[in-house]
Amino acid sequence: DAKTTQPNSMESNEEEPVHLPCNHSTISGTDYIHWYRQLPSQGPEYVIHGLTSNVNNRMASLAIAEDRKSSTLILHRATLRDAAVYYCILRGGMNRDDKIIFGKGTRLHILP
Amino acid sequence: EPEVTQTPSHQVTQMGQEVILRCVPISNHLYFYWYRQILGQKVEFLVSFYNNEISEKSEIFDDQFSVERPDGSNFTLKIRSTKLEDSAMYFCASRLRQVMNTEAFFGQGTRLTVV
Repeated sequence: DAKTTQPNSMESNEEEPVHLPCNHSTISGTDYIHWYRQLPSQGPEYVIHGLTSNVNNRMASLAIAEDRKSSTLILHRATLRDAAVYYCILRGGMNRDDKIIFGKGTRLHILP
Repeated sequence: EPEVTQTPSHQVTQMGQEVILRCVPISNHLYFYWYRQILGQKVEFLVSFYNNEISEKSEIFDDQFSVERPDGSNFTLKIRSTKLEDSAMYFCASRLRQVMNTEAFFGQGTRLTVV
């Protein structure tokens, strides 16, 4: 899997938007950008994914740079329950390799 | 909402004993995985499984490990002779299709403690 770079940790206030950045300068044309998160003492949980266009779902939004070398996961209104480790992962569209490789991710702290 | 179920939630075993960790993937999923997470470390890939055979395995998945889908619903991970360093959270995951725009669903994990 192509490499991604994320900050080790971030802090945000409850009920404010959170922007979690991810750099992936070596992304290939067929790589999808996936985000997962891991709440404390739980298994990883899918959040969102995209290829080129920005994406929205009930959990979050994904903003993808025009050159696709970076992306931002946006939590529109953070709650205490959003405190988790967030993983930005590239998945190769033409690659038979189907495993997910987790990095260290960004640990998001939410302040009440 | 369908979910991946893992049992037991916590297992304590003596070093050298065999353990079997059990998972029930989502019913119409075709691809199955085991991951582990040692306390404070990254989630690590162990093995992927499709069509009743291993698709890929990591260096961690040595001869002490095996996987099985014995009855079409359960997916098990066996560790033949546990070591202290096998203590970790073990996560099972499943996916519907092997294309890159489908998500994997993870279970809540089994905490294995080897004493």
